[in-house]
Amino acid sequence: GAVVSQHPSRVICKSGTSVKIECRSLDFQATTMFWYRQFPKQSLMLMATSNEGSKATYEQGVEKDKFLINHASLTLSTLTVTSAHPEDSSFYICSARGLASEQFFGPGTRLTVL
Amino acid sequence: AQSVAQPEDQVNVAEGNPLTVKCTYSVSGNPYLFWYVQYPNRGLQFLLKYITGDNLVKGSYGFEAEFNKSQTSFHLKKPSALVSDSALYFCAAYYNTDKLIFGTGTRLQVFP
Repeated sequence: GAVVSQHPSRVICKSGTSVKIECRSLDFQATTMFWYRQFPKQSLMLMATSNEGSKATYEQGVEKDKFLINHASLTLSTLTVTSAHPEDSSFYICSARGLASEQFFGPGTRLTVL
Repeated sequence: AQSVAQPEDQVNVAEGNPLTVKCTYSVSGNPYLFWYVQYPNRGLQFLLKYITGDNLVKGSYGFEAEFNKSQTSFHLKKPSALVSDSALYFCAAYYNTDKLIFGTGTRLQVFP
């Protein structure tokens, strides 16, 4: 199947700093990428949908100024958590979808904000 | 409202026995249904999908799922469980042909 990578896999930062997470589709062009957040022992919560070359669409309750998404190319989307605080600590997962219907998920990034 | 339900938080099964992980959906139109598996601190791995066609869908690692329109269910099954199947399983459905709605997940524990 298609491969999606995320970098970094784990990041620890101080409160108030910004963190960038990259999501790449390695062997296919992703017309749409999705960013999810997963709390311990809970399901995935869709944060936003991004299409290459256009602004991301955020789900209700997700602060677009805090979670900046850029989908600069058909193989790369980035999520920047700005001025991170401890409550932003979570597992962030991206997915990518090409021409087929299924989404392929990255391995996730665990963010810990001290 | 569009939703996916996984009624069991955890399923326990002995190795070699058949397993079933339940999923029901409430999605308007013709649903696209998926099963994903998640291992600790990892992303989701695609197992199988139903779009149209045969109600019995075969997927990766010996898993299969049966689409039942009258019961709005899409239960995941495997004839003989392995200890390595122990993981978190998510059922998901598309609505608006764009967004995946996930169930709450079922933790499968296979005992040797």
